[in-house]
Amino acid sequence: SSELTQDPAVSVALGQTVRITCQGDNLRTYYATWYQQKPGQAPVRVIYGKNNRPSGIPDRFSGSNSGNTASLTITGAQAEDEAAYYCNCRDNSGHHVLFGGGTKLTVL
Amino acid sequence: QVQLQQWGAGLLKPSETLSLTCGVFGGSISGSSWSWVRQPPGRGLEWIGEINHSGDANYNPSLKSRVTMSLDKSKNQFSMQLTSVTAADTAVYYCARGDGLFPGWWLDPWGQGVLVTVSS
Repeated sequence: SSELTQDPAVSVALGQTVRITCQGDNLRTYYATWYQQKPGQAPVRVIYGKNNRPSGIPDRFSGSNSGNTASLTITGAQAEDEAAYYCNCRDNSGHHVLFGGGTKLTVL
Repeated sequence: QVQLQQWGAGLLKPSETLSLTCGVFGGSISGSSWSWVRQPPGRGLEWIGEINHSGDANYNPSLKSRVTMSLDKSKNQFSMQLTSVTAADTAVYYCARGDGLFPGWWLDPWGQGVLVTVSS
């Protein structure tokens, strides 16, 4: 299947830890990349590769990959982390790109 | 640091052709792949396609019959056209650079996005 599946919405209390997941057969071949998107803004890469953060992304963001599931963990969620999060990878043919449907994170 | 700036018509009538261009600043268009992604209002991201520095393109199968991508090395920019647009093509369109080292792959940076509205 050439799909990536994400929960539509997740909530977390301020300062607590939240995990956002992404499932798909293609994740057995490729690492997921995670993007954060706030309203009216372009997506921003927050996790890529095995578990890498671009410069400027806080270390409370981390990623992991196991089998057909990739996870984005925010340890000690802050109010500014409230956003939509998308996972992405290439499909197994290598010729196409997939996006998950996105997870809307609410920080309570 | 590479930055992308995109432009194109923001209002189209049904059956017209959508044309967008993305300029690459602070780096060369050679050596990377370049993608287009769209986002309908209130919805998720959809990959449209990509073109590499050699001009080889891959397209989303759902749009393949209507989309064409090209790049102009002399101007350091790349473009996309989507024919026969309908209201379902109304979206914010983004350009982005594709990069990675297998098994990782990512899109970064992204353009600012252009809202394209299809309405009669």
